[in-house]
Amino acid sequence: DIQMTQSPSTLSASVGDRVTITCRASQSISSWLAWYQQKPGKAPKLLIYKASSLESGVPSRFSGSGSGTEFTLTISSLQPDDFATYYCQQYNSYSLTFGGGTKVEIK
Amino acid sequence: QVQLVQSGAEVKKPGASVKVSCKASGYTFTSYGISWVRQAPGQGLEWMGWISAYNGNTNYAQKLQGRVTMTTDTSTSTAYMELRSLRSDDTAVYYCASGGSYPFVNYWGQGTLVTVSS
Repeated sequence: DIQMTQSPSTLSASVGDRVTITCRASQSISSWLAWYQQKPGKAPKLLIYKASSLESGVPSRFSGSGSGTEFTLTISSLQPDDFATYYCQQYNSYSLTFGGGTKVEIK
Repeated sequence: QVQLVQSGAEVKKPGASVKVSCKASGYTFTSYGISWVRQAPGQGLEWMGWISAYNGNTNYAQKLQGRVTMTTDTSTSTAYMELRSLRSDDTAVYYCASGGSYPFVNYWGQGTLVTVSS
């Protein structure tokens, strides 16, 4: 199985900060990567799919980039509603795996 | 609007089985597959598997092979996930999810808490 390593595991930031989260795959997954946001007690929400495609209705301050084994999720200007946990998810050979998550906390 | 409504919380003893349902509405059920994802208390997300609502084809996570079965009933637009030989570490919130750009999903059920305890 492909392993996904997210970093950092926790991130402290302030409103207005530019935030970057990294996800590394144990082998190449082309662009088969998604990013989800999850708030406590809620189901995850799809933000980005196929590495860089913004899901409909998601604010444009969210962007994704990368291919192969290294990917990033960037929030250009952190908003109060963005404090949450973020997960990457890869797809390869009919199997999917989530990264361990990155909790974005208020500094 | 798309809705996925899951069955209620369950408490099971170790060794038992649980079957969680997920009723879809607001879209043509056979147009999308259903993924199942679980989350143990305070832990991250774990993909369990996927079933095609069109033809019933399945893909399961390797660690759950042999213990999990996913099915659908197109007459009621309902998906099911059965997990057998339950252990304490199967205690989790179980989500069904669908829609979106395959294989990534953008509609999620509300989650079903399954507690495994003697």
